[in-house]
This record gives sequence, C-alpha cells and structure tokens, in this order.
Amino acid sequence: GQQLNQSPQSMFIQEGEDVSMNCTSSSIFNTWLWYKQDPGEGPVLLIALYKAGELTSNGRLTAQFGITRKDSFLNISASIPSDVGIYFCAGTLYKAAGNKLTFGGGTRVLVKP
Amino acid sequence: DVKVTQSSRYLVKRTGEKVFLECVQDMDHENMFWYRQDPGLGLRLIYFSYDVKMKEKGDIPEGYSVSREKKERFSLILESASTNQTSMYLCASSPMPGTGGGEKLFFGSGTQLSVL
Repeated sequence: GQQLNQSPQSMFIQEGEDVSMNCTSSSIFNTWLWYKQDPGEGPVLLIALYKAGELTSNGRLTAQFGITRKDSFLNISASIPSDVGIYFCAGTLYKAAGNKLTFGGGTRVLVKP
Repeated sequence: DVKVTQSSRYLVKRTGEKVFLECVQDMDHENMFWYRQDPGLGLRLIYFSYDVKMKEKGDIPEGYSVSREKKERFSLILESASTNQTSMYLCASSPMPGTGGGEKLFFGSGTQLSVL
C-alpha cells in the first residue's frame, strides 16, 4: 500500500528558532493534512492543503504542498515551549475521503534541555 | 467545537478478555473511525463507519469488530484481547463528503489499552 515517510522522527527545539519537517510519499496525493498531537490528547488539525504548490499558514506554522504531489513540508517559526508534541502528516488521493487517509509515522518535537 | 469523547483514558485487561472501547461525538457527523497509534507507525485505520449499522474494514481489522447502533456512538470490540493489541486507540469523526471537510478528522483524546 501507500507509504508516508516522515522526517525527522524526532527533533529538539530551542525557543525562538525555526524548525522544519517533511513528508514524502511513494505515490501522488491530492490532499495533504498536518496534525499536531499534544501529550495526552488526540491529534488536532493544523493545516489542510489541496493544490500542488500551495503554501498555507496558520499563525507561526506554514505548510506547503510539494509540486510533485509526493511531498509536503511544515515549518514552525520562532518556536515556543508549547510547540512540543507529535506532528503527523496525512495524505489522500481522494477528495474529502476521511477513510482513505494515510498517516506518516510522526515527528516528535521536544525542547532542548 | 466538535467534541469526540472516549469513555476510558486508560484500560488494563487480561489476555483473552472481551474488551469494549466506546466513543461518542456530538456534532452529528456521519463518519466515524477507529485508529490505532503505535510509536513510529503513525495512525492506522482499524474500522470506519459512514452511517448507522454500516461499517468498512480499514487497514488492520484483524482481531477487532465494531458496532454503530446510533449515529453518535461507535464502539470498538476486541473479541479476545491479545498482548499485541496493547496500544493507544483513537476514535475520530468527520462530516459526510459534499458537506465540506470529509477528510478533516476530529479526534478523541485516546484510550491507552494494556493487555497483560
């Protein structure tokens, strides 16, 4: 089946710095989604992307739909402690089909001690 | 705001027990989902329901069944729990495609199940 490789698997952030993560697929998608999971909670949708090349922001978060339709990127600018959590990408070839989503393995964001 | 409520935050069960995980959503969504979350593997779909009494197998349905008798409630059943079913279970809901946002899932807080 489809595979989503998300990298890095984990990262340490220092307050104020910009960080980025990405997701690559073995096949093309028509929709990319980025979720964040806070400790002890379920994932919450951050950004949805529907068009190749699209760049969308949500506060300090910016995500891009890769032009090859096989990848997506998430950037966090000016990190703050509450950015810790697990970030998941998800993609689907099918419009509005929640049951056809493929999720990446997640990027765990931690604060540098 | 959409609220998806899972009945238990933590569960500890013994091998061979029958386990019920309950989920309720309050936004009148047609679609409901059960996912399993394991470190490094992301979220994997177990079962999906698009209407009352309707269900579809996801990617990893073996060892699980589901029940949807009412629109707002979706139950996951482990007929005979095994240690390899120790995991975080997440319930989610979304509106029907065509109403906008069918791909946008709203998740509950999860149930961490340990099978001993």
